[in-house]
Amino acid sequence: AQSVTQLDSQVPVFEEAPVELRCNYSSSVSVYLFWYVQYPNQGLQLLLKYLSGSTLVKGINGFEAEFNKSQTSFHLRKPSVHISDTAEYFCAVSPYNQGGKLIFGQGTELSVKP
Amino acid sequence: DSGVTQTPKHLITATGQRVTLRCSPRSGDLSVYWYQQSLDQGLQFLIQYYNGEERAKGNILERFSAQQFPDLHSELNLSSLELGDSALYFCASSSFTGTATEAFFGQGTRLTVV
Repeated sequence: AQSVTQLDSQVPVFEEAPVELRCNYSSSVSVYLFWYVQYPNQGLQLLLKYLSGSTLVKGINGFEAEFNKSQTSFHLRKPSVHISDTAEYFCAVSPYNQGGKLIFGQGTELSVKP
Repeated sequence: DSGVTQTPKHLITATGQRVTLRCSPRSGDLSVYWYQQSLDQGLQFLIQYYNGEERAKGNILERFSAQQFPDLHSELNLSSLELGDSALYFCASSSFTGTATEAFFGQGTRLTVV
């Protein structure tokens, strides 16, 4: 079985400050890792994904994430946030060879203040 | 626009009733996933269909069922509705062929059971 824990339910930050959203996971099998963003009243949009290779993954809108296998973590970072980054962010895992289903964390609400 | 279309966008119905949610996947995507998003349970995987066949099952209640038709659109049927079934239901599609690929999400159907 798999589980995903997003360590912060809410992260308030000022505009142009750096931010890190933390994600840990647990799995008995190998997994792929994803971050999705959900803007108000919209569906989920993929920010970035880790499948294999370099542990530092770059995504859209200036976000990046680092996969740490020993710590089973996949933290999301952005060096300088904008008001428009205000949204809910979901970390997810997808077990190998299980059809591509996603197991999501509870979400982190990022609130960027001017 | 993700290319995944869900109808209706909003649905209000009474307890005990039955509803059908519809999803049209992106052109060419054979795999359809259904997810439920609620305040208490978060984002939960319900079920996956691949080219008309059920591929994976998650936390889907027995009162719920789904199918994928030859034209690849999918329907999620919810019956004997309870207040706790009120949630946002997402459909996602991917060209999943055995390895992880990006899942594209629709904008969801917000179901309110009164």
